[in-house]
Amino acid sequence: NFMLTQPHSVSESPGQTVTISCTGSGGSIASTYVQWYQQRPGSAPTTVINADNERPSGVPSRFSGSIDRSSNSASLTISGLKTEDEADYYCQSYDDSTVVFGGGTKLTVL
Amino acid sequence: QVQLQQWGAGLLKPSETLSLTCAVYGGSFSDYYWNWIRQPPGKGLEWIGDINHFGRANYNPSFRSRLTISIDTSKNQFSLNLSSVTAADTAVYYCSRGLVPAGLDPWGQGTLVTVSS
Repeated sequence: NFMLTQPHSVSESPGQTVTISCTGSGGSIASTYVQWYQQRPGSAPTTVINADNERPSGVPSRFSGSIDRSSNSASLTISGLKTEDEADYYCQSYDDSTVVFGGGTKLTVL
Repeated sequence: QVQLQQWGAGLLKPSETLSLTCAVYGGSFSDYYWNWIRQPPGKGLEWIGDINHFGRANYNPSFRSRLTISIDTSKNQFSLNLSSVTAADTAVYYCSRGLVPAGLDPWGQGTLVTVSS
């Protein structure tokens, strides 16, 4: 079974850049698209990156996504951190016809 | 602008059946997979299953024996039924639109379902 592993938490200061990793196991992360969702407390998740590196309308250009085939991982990079970016972030992909989520990463902007 | 609105019972006793419905407003109903996801308190997201407008459903194997996802194309609605619930099924349940392989968007507002005797 394909699984996605994320760090439990990351922290960084406002204005800095942070990268959240999502490592695939049991399959190639490049075989299908990876999405990233932001979830603030008490709210439903919203998409910040889809199709590996596409930003939906309304998502700031500070958010970017990438795939590294050599490490079988995807990354979400947020530059120019703002306090409003503090949230949980989840990567998501597919294993055949099933949806797979990473365990989530809590981003603290301090 | 597509919107998903969901509803269902929020408090169940063990062994009862969890039933939720999600209505889709705006946009095409036939081009997508319609998903259910849950999130236990303080934990991560767990995919439950999905269904397309033909009624073809995919289920997370963890739920398969207890799970039915159905669709009513005449009302642009889809539903979740999870039988024999226990306290471990306590979670916020979300519905979402899926465009394979490009992710889930948008999401419903979420429904907290608590299983307690």
